Amino acid sequence: KQEVTQIPAALSVPEGENLVLNCSFTDSAIYNLQWFRQDPGKGLTSLLLIQSSQREQTSGRLNASLDKSSGRSTLYIAASQPGDSATYLCAVESRYSTLTFGKGTMLLVSP
Amino acid sequence: GAGVSQSPSNKVTEKGKDVELRCDPISGHTALYWYRQRLGQGLEFLIYFQGNSAPDKSGLPSDRFSAERTGESVSTLTIQRTQQEDSAVYLCASSLVAINQPQHFGDGTRLSIL
Repeated sequence: KQEVTQIPAALSVPEGENLVLNCSFTDSAIYNLQWFRQDPGKGLTSLLLIQSSQREQTSGRLNASLDKSSGRSTLYIAASQPGDSATYLCAVESRYSTLTFGKGTMLLVSP
Repeated sequence: GAGVSQSPSNKVTEKGKDVELRCDPISGHTALYWYRQRLGQGLEFLIYFQGNSAPDKSGLPSDRFSAERTGESVSTLTIQRTQQEDSAVYLCASSLVAINQPQHFGDGTRLSIL
């Protein structure tokens, strides 16, 4: 059974800092890994999708990497802003299941 | 609409009552998913539909839970004889197809069982 773990559970940084969120998964037989953000009282917004054959994806100030063999992914946020404050969720899709989610990292960026 | 729409946004009901939650996917999306998010927990997969194929019900927690989808349109999730542990946010998502596509989520239905 696939398990996804995210570290840290919560993170507080001052505006402008670069930061890294971590995600690990137990079964490397995945189709893809996806990063989402969730704002309070809202659904999830898809940020990046990395196919199993890819090493990284970039969108604006976000860069996600994937090391499938070691079961790890990182989400790098450059020059953080207060508007980045949200919960960030990592999820993996595999042959035997649809998305399996981690519990998320709650990020607070203070002005 | 442009996104996934869920209704109601909030539902409060008494223990033992049945509830029905609705999801309108993005037009043209053949795959539709239901998830549950309980306080302090990660998202739990419940069920997904892909076109006219038999749904994957492997995540449904009990036989009190069921879901239907007509073609590639609206889906309803029904919970019978609700229990307090059913209190959660129920999220619906859709994608173009079931594999290797980003899922687009609605804002969810917050269900509270008294």
